[in-house]
Amino acid sequence: AQSVTQLDSHVSVSEGTPVLLRCNYSSSYSPSLFWYVQHPNKGLQLLLKYTSAATLVKGINGFEAEFKKSETSFHLTKPSAHMSDAAEYFCVVTLMFSGGYNKLIFGAGTRLAVHP
Amino acid sequence: NAGVTQTPKFRVLKTGQSMTLLCAQDMNHEYMYWYRQDPGMGLRLIHYSVGEGTTAKGEVPDGYNVSRLKKQNFLLGLESAAPSQTSVYFCASSPTSGGALEQFFGPGTRLTVL
Repeated sequence: AQSVTQLDSHVSVSEGTPVLLRCNYSSSYSPSLFWYVQHPNKGLQLLLKYTSAATLVKGINGFEAEFKKSETSFHLTKPSAHMSDAAEYFCVVTLMFSGGYNKLIFGAGTRLAVHP
Repeated sequence: NAGVTQTPKFRVLKTGQSMTLLCAQDMNHEYMYWYRQDPGMGLRLIHYSVGEGTTAKGEVPDGYNVSRLKKQNFLLGLESAAPSQTSVYFCASSPTSGGALEQFFGPGTRLTVL
């Protein structure tokens, strides 16, 4: 069965310091993985996605994530946090059904706070 | 393109009342989805549609009905609202299914059931 575990419900960093949001997944096949971001009172926006090509994936706003099959991890990083990065981040794994339907399985989310 | 839009943005209902949430997309996507978001639980799929005139149950379908009479619209109905349905509801769409394809999300509807 497919599942996603985000290891931290809250992360707090200072502006200008690195960001690390951790995600582990469980999948019985080679998964596709996403990171979505949700700013307060907004919808979800795709940050980046892994689709079995390069294991290091670059996304928007300076974020990147590395797919590590041996560790079943897909951690999200950014070298230097900005105040505007404060948001909730969701790690997502896809589950494909025989009819072609694609289901997204969401982690519980990590709320990132950025302090001046 | 407006992308995915949702109506209304906010709503307060009393227990037992009914309402319909409207989702519209202008990207000509085949697939549409309704999710609910509750604290600490990520998003959970309520119902989805793989094309005009077709719908199917997701992870948490009880208490909800849906219709997809037009390709661009996906309606979510609550026939008799309950406090447990207090949540933020998100609609999403995607061009076709497949593991590599992202879903595009609307801004959400915040529903409170008293």
